[in-house]
Amino acid sequence: DVKVTQSSRYLVKRTGEKVFLECVQDMDHENMFWYRQDPGLGLRLIYFSYDVKMKEKGDIPEGYSVSREKKERFSLILESASTNQTSMYLCASSFYRDSTYEQYFGPGTRLTVT
Amino acid sequence: RKEVEQDPGPFNVPEGATVAFNCTYSNSASQSFFWYRQDCRKEPKLLMSVYSSGNEDGRFTAQLNRASQYISLLIRDSKLSDSATYLCVVNKDSNYQLIWGAGTKLIIKP
Repeated sequence: DVKVTQSSRYLVKRTGEKVFLECVQDMDHENMFWYRQDPGLGLRLIYFSYDVKMKEKGDIPEGYSVSREKKERFSLILESASTNQTSMYLCASSFYRDSTYEQYFGPGTRLTVT
Repeated sequence: RKEVEQDPGPFNVPEGATVAFNCTYSNSASQSFFWYRQDCRKEPKLLMSVYSSGNEDGRFTAQLNRASQYISLLIRDSKLSDSATYLCVVNKDSNYQLIWGAGTKLIIKP
Protein backbone atom coordinates (compact mmCIF):
# COMPACT_ATOMS: atom_id res chain seq x y z
CA ASP A 1 0.00 0.00 0.00
CA VAL A 2 1.12 3.52 -0.75
CA LYS A 3 1.88 5.47 2.36
CA VAL A 4 2.07 9.24 2.56
CA THR A 5 2.76 10.67 5.98
CA GLN A 6 2.66 14.23 7.23
CA SER A 7 4.60 15.48 10.22
CA SER A 8 1.66 16.83 12.23
CA ARG A 9 -2.11 16.33 12.26
CA TYR A 10 -2.79 19.57 14.12
CA LEU A 11 -0.63 22.66 14.46
CA VAL A 12 -1.21 26.03 16.12
CA LYS A 13 1.16 28.87 15.29
CA ARG A 14 1.29 32.59 15.88
CA THR A 15 1.21 35.26 13.20
CA GLY A 16 4.68 35.91 11.85
CA GLU A 17 6.14 32.52 12.81
CA LYS A 18 7.97 30.39 10.28
CA VAL A 19 6.15 27.09 9.79
CA PHE A 20 7.48 23.85 8.32
CA LEU A 21 5.15 21.11 7.11
CA GLU A 22 6.84 17.86 6.16
CA CYS A 23 5.57 15.13 3.88
CA VAL A 24 7.14 11.74 3.21
CA GLN A 25 6.05 9.06 0.75
CA ASP A 26 7.41 5.54 0.64
CA MET A 27 6.61 4.46 -2.92
CA ASP A 28 9.33 6.16 -4.94
CA HIS A 29 6.82 8.43 -6.69
CA GLU A 30 8.25 11.14 -8.91
CA ASN A 31 5.55 13.72 -8.34
CA MET A 32 4.59 15.35 -5.08
CA PHE A 33 2.07 18.08 -4.34
CA TRP A 34 0.98 20.47 -1.65
CA TYR A 35 -2.66 21.58 -1.52
CA ARG A 36 -4.76 23.54 0.85
CA GLN A 37 -8.43 22.78 1.35
CA ASP A 38 -10.95 25.31 2.56
CA PRO A 39 -14.72 24.87 2.87
CA GLY A 40 -16.54 25.45 -0.41
CA LEU A 41 -13.33 25.97 -2.38
CA GLY A 42 -12.06 22.47 -2.96
CA LEU A 43 -8.40 21.60 -3.11
CA ARG A 44 -6.16 24.35 -4.39
CA LEU A 45 -2.64 23.57 -5.53
CA ILE A 46 0.12 25.53 -3.81
CA TYR A 47 3.27 23.92 -5.27
CA PHE A 48 4.26 20.69 -6.88
CA SER A 49 7.47 18.91 -7.72
CA TYR A 50 8.14 16.37 -10.47
CA ASP A 51 11.70 15.55 -9.45
CA VAL A 52 14.26 16.09 -6.74
CA LYS A 53 15.19 19.79 -6.45
CA MET A 54 12.52 20.68 -9.02
CA LYS A 55 9.50 22.74 -8.07
CA GLU A 56 6.67 24.45 -9.87
CA LYS A 57 4.18 27.02 -8.64
CA GLY A 58 0.60 25.98 -8.46
CA ASP A 59 -2.43 28.24 -8.36
CA ILE A 60 -1.80 29.91 -4.99
CA PRO A 61 1.95 29.98 -4.23
CA GLU A 62 2.06 33.41 -2.57
CA GLY A 63 3.31 33.26 1.00
CA TYR A 64 4.66 29.71 0.61
CA SER A 65 7.87 28.05 -0.49
CA VAL A 66 8.85 24.39 -0.84
CA SER A 67 11.88 22.18 -0.68
CA ARG A 68 12.55 18.79 -2.20
CA GLU A 69 16.05 17.63 -1.36
CA LYS A 70 15.20 13.92 -1.46
CA LYS A 71 12.75 12.08 -3.66
CA GLU A 72 10.63 10.84 -0.78
CA ARG A 73 10.35 14.16 1.08
CA PHE A 74 8.55 17.35 0.13
CA SER A 75 8.41 20.23 2.59
CA LEU A 76 6.09 23.23 2.63
CA ILE A 77 7.31 26.39 4.32
CA LEU A 78 5.28 29.34 5.45
CA GLU A 79 7.90 32.07 5.77
CA SER A 80 5.77 34.32 7.96
CA ALA A 81 2.45 32.75 8.90
CA SER A 82 -0.68 34.86 8.60
CA THR A 83 -4.22 34.23 9.78
CA ASN A 84 -5.45 33.74 6.21
CA GLN A 85 -3.19 30.69 6.00
CA THR A 86 -5.33 28.88 8.55
CA SER A 87 -6.43 25.85 6.59
CA MET A 88 -6.15 22.10 6.04
CA TYR A 89 -2.92 21.28 4.22
CA LEU A 90 -2.78 18.08 2.21
CA CYS A 91 0.28 16.49 0.69
CA ALA A 92 -0.02 14.05 -2.19
CA SER A 93 2.22 11.95 -4.38
CA SER A 94 1.41 10.43 -7.73
CA PHE A 95 2.54 7.79 -10.15
CA TYR A 96 1.68 6.85 -13.69
CA ARG A 97 -0.74 3.98 -14.30
CA ASP A 98 -3.20 3.18 -17.07
CA SER A 99 -2.19 6.28 -19.05
CA THR A 100 -2.87 8.60 -16.18
CA TYR A 101 -1.61 9.77 -12.82
CA GLU A 102 -3.35 8.76 -9.60
CA GLN A 103 -2.74 10.88 -6.54
CA TYR A 104 -2.41 9.50 -3.03
CA PHE A 105 -2.81 11.75 -0.04
CA GLY A 106 -1.42 12.06 3.43
CA PRO A 107 -3.82 12.48 6.38
CA GLY A 108 -3.54 16.27 6.30
CA THR A 109 -2.33 18.94 8.72
CA ARG A 110 -4.91 21.27 10.17
CA LEU A 111 -3.02 24.52 10.73
CA THR A 112 -4.42 27.33 12.83
CA VAL A 113 -2.63 30.68 12.82
CA THR A 114 -3.61 32.99 15.66
CA ARG B 1 -16.72 30.07 -14.43
CA LYS B 2 -14.98 27.47 -12.26
CA GLU B 3 -12.85 24.93 -14.10
CA VAL B 4 -14.66 22.05 -12.40
CA GLU B 5 -18.16 22.59 -11.04
CA GLN B 6 -20.21 20.37 -8.78
CA ASP B 7 -23.48 20.76 -6.94
CA PRO B 8 -22.36 21.04 -3.31
CA GLY B 9 -25.49 19.28 -2.00
CA PRO B 10 -26.10 17.87 0.48
CA PHE B 11 -27.99 15.07 -1.18
CA ASN B 12 -30.09 13.36 1.49
CA VAL B 13 -30.94 9.89 0.27
CA PRO B 14 -32.63 6.91 1.98
CA GLU B 15 -30.63 3.73 2.34
CA GLY B 16 -31.09 1.44 -0.63
CA ALA B 17 -31.92 4.22 -3.08
CA THR B 18 -30.04 5.12 -6.23
CA VAL B 19 -28.36 8.49 -6.41
CA ALA B 20 -26.53 10.26 -9.20
CA PHE B 21 -24.54 13.43 -9.44
CA ASN B 22 -22.82 15.26 -12.25
CA CYS B 23 -19.81 17.42 -12.60
CA THR B 24 -18.99 19.81 -15.46
CA TYR B 25 -15.52 20.81 -16.59
CA SER B 26 -14.37 23.67 -18.78
CA ASN B 27 -11.17 22.41 -20.42
CA SER B 28 -12.14 20.51 -23.56
CA ALA B 29 -8.57 19.18 -23.82
CA SER B 30 -8.78 17.28 -20.52
CA GLN B 31 -8.04 13.58 -20.89
CA SER B 32 -8.11 12.15 -17.37
CA PHE B 33 -11.13 12.10 -15.10
CA PHE B 34 -11.63 10.74 -11.62
CA TRP B 35 -14.01 10.51 -8.74
CA TYR B 36 -12.47 10.72 -5.30
CA ARG B 37 -14.24 10.17 -2.02
CA GLN B 38 -13.51 12.19 1.10
CA ASP B 39 -14.85 11.26 4.51
CA CYS B 40 -15.31 13.94 7.15
CA ARG B 41 -11.92 15.20 8.39
CA LYS B 42 -10.04 12.66 6.29
CA GLU B 43 -7.95 12.81 3.16
CA PRO B 44 -9.41 12.23 -0.33
CA LYS B 45 -9.13 8.70 -1.67
CA LEU B 46 -9.50 7.53 -5.23
CA LEU B 47 -12.92 5.99 -5.84
CA MET B 48 -12.59 5.35 -9.55
CA SER B 49 -11.15 6.64 -12.76
CA VAL B 50 -13.62 7.55 -15.48
CA TYR B 51 -13.03 6.09 -18.93
CA SER B 52 -14.45 7.22 -22.25
CA SER B 53 -16.61 4.13 -22.57
CA GLY B 54 -17.92 4.44 -19.04
CA ASN B 55 -17.03 2.02 -16.29
CA GLU B 56 -18.55 0.20 -13.40
CA ASP B 57 -17.17 -0.95 -10.09
CA GLY B 58 -19.72 -2.85 -8.04
CA ARG B 59 -22.53 -0.46 -7.14
CA PHE B 60 -20.72 2.52 -8.68
CA THR B 61 -20.95 3.58 -12.32
CA ALA B 62 -19.07 6.47 -13.87
CA GLN B 63 -19.84 8.03 -17.24
CA LEU B 64 -18.07 10.61 -19.36
CA ASN B 65 -19.81 12.88 -21.86
CA ARG B 66 -17.12 14.71 -23.81
CA ALA B 67 -19.54 16.59 -26.06
CA SER B 68 -21.25 18.23 -23.10
CA GLN B 69 -18.12 18.17 -20.92
CA TYR B 70 -19.53 16.46 -17.90
CA ILE B 71 -18.91 13.33 -15.91
CA SER B 72 -21.38 11.53 -13.72
CA LEU B 73 -21.36 9.12 -10.82
CA LEU B 74 -24.23 6.75 -10.11
CA ILE B 75 -24.48 4.84 -6.84
CA ARG B 76 -26.97 1.98 -6.68
CA ASP B 77 -28.37 0.36 -3.53
CA SER B 78 -26.78 3.06 -1.39
CA LYS B 79 -25.34 2.13 2.00
CA LEU B 80 -24.93 4.19 5.15
CA SER B 81 -21.17 3.91 4.60
CA ASP B 82 -21.51 5.75 1.28
CA SER B 83 -22.06 8.99 3.20
CA ALA B 84 -19.14 11.19 2.23
CA THR B 85 -18.16 14.05 -0.03
CA TYR B 86 -17.49 13.05 -3.63
CA LEU B 87 -14.87 15.06 -5.47
CA CYS B 88 -14.80 15.36 -9.24
CA VAL B 89 -11.26 15.66 -10.60
CA VAL B 90 -9.98 16.50 -14.07
CA ASN B 91 -6.43 16.78 -15.35
CA LYS B 92 -4.95 20.14 -16.30
CA ASP B 93 -2.71 20.74 -19.31
CA SER B 94 0.02 18.50 -17.96
CA ASN B 95 -1.34 15.10 -17.20
CA TYR B 96 0.00 14.94 -13.65
CA GLN B 97 -1.59 18.20 -12.50
CA LEU B 98 -5.21 17.88 -11.43
CA ILE B 99 -8.08 20.32 -10.98
CA TRP B 100 -10.48 19.55 -8.15
CA GLY B 101 -14.14 20.27 -7.80
CA ALA B 102 -15.34 21.50 -4.41
CA GLY B 103 -17.26 18.28 -3.85
CA THR B 104 -20.82 17.00 -3.51
CA LYS B 105 -21.88 15.98 -0.05
CA LEU B 106 -23.93 12.79 0.18
CA ILE B 107 -25.82 11.75 3.30
CA ILE B 108 -27.43 8.32 3.36
CA LYS B 109 -30.23 8.04 5.92
CA PRO B 110 -31.46 4.77 7.49
